[in-house]
Amino acid sequence: QKEVEQDPGPLSVPEGAIVSLNCTYSNSAFQYFMWYRQYSRKGPELLMYTYSSGNKEDGRFTAQVDKSSKYISLFIRDSQPSDSATYLCAMTPSGSARQLTFGSGTQLTVLP
Amino acid sequence: DVKVTQSSRYLVKRTGEKVFLECVQDMDHENMFWYRQDPGLGLRLIYFSYDVKMKEKGDIPEGYSVSREKKERFSLILESASTNQTSMYLCASSLSAATDTQYFGPGTRLTVL
Repeated sequence: QKEVEQDPGPLSVPEGAIVSLNCTYSNSAFQYFMWYRQYSRKGPELLMYTYSSGNKEDGRFTAQVDKSSKYISLFIRDSQPSDSATYLCAMTPSGSARQLTFGSGTQLTVLP
Repeated sequence: DVKVTQSSRYLVKRTGEKVFLECVQDMDHENMFWYRQDPGLGLRLIYFSYDVKMKEKGDIPEGYSVSREKKERFSLILESASTNQTSMYLCASSLSAATDTQYFGPGTRLTVL
């Protein structure tokens, strides 16, 4: 069983929809949780960064962490065609990039 | 703006060839990373360097080596390429080892025939 599980999709939604992307994990030592966005033929870019449980909001994006369920989510409100990308979750026990574990990514398409 | 560049976007090599993948960053970052990205497996760390000439194995170092002779340049070497090394290779750099300072290059798609 992989340490981090992520539904690969693909996921297609109409413009303006609320998108929910999720990851589950098995290692209770994970404390820092990240979401990356990766456009086609580009490297990943950090989108959201949270520590421990709770919510974090940045514009149309909300990251949610539930450590008791070992479950993290990324919500995108009022989705736009420019949000079409692969979204990767990642987590680490220490905040160090040396110990990052990535999910396999969910491919999202927002249809105009 | 941080810029991480990789020498090739696409590369095709034959089994047994020695392959060099080059990565250059322009922000004087201490830390540099090489990952490979495969469908269904996400990104996996191959090697990490925290200073010139200093390196540390990642999760999947077998079949790879690295070189960091200058701060801005980090090379990944496949000593004898094999078909199971066909993958997307991503380089990243960061000011500190913290994840929130990590920047990725555009990737090199390597095909080994």
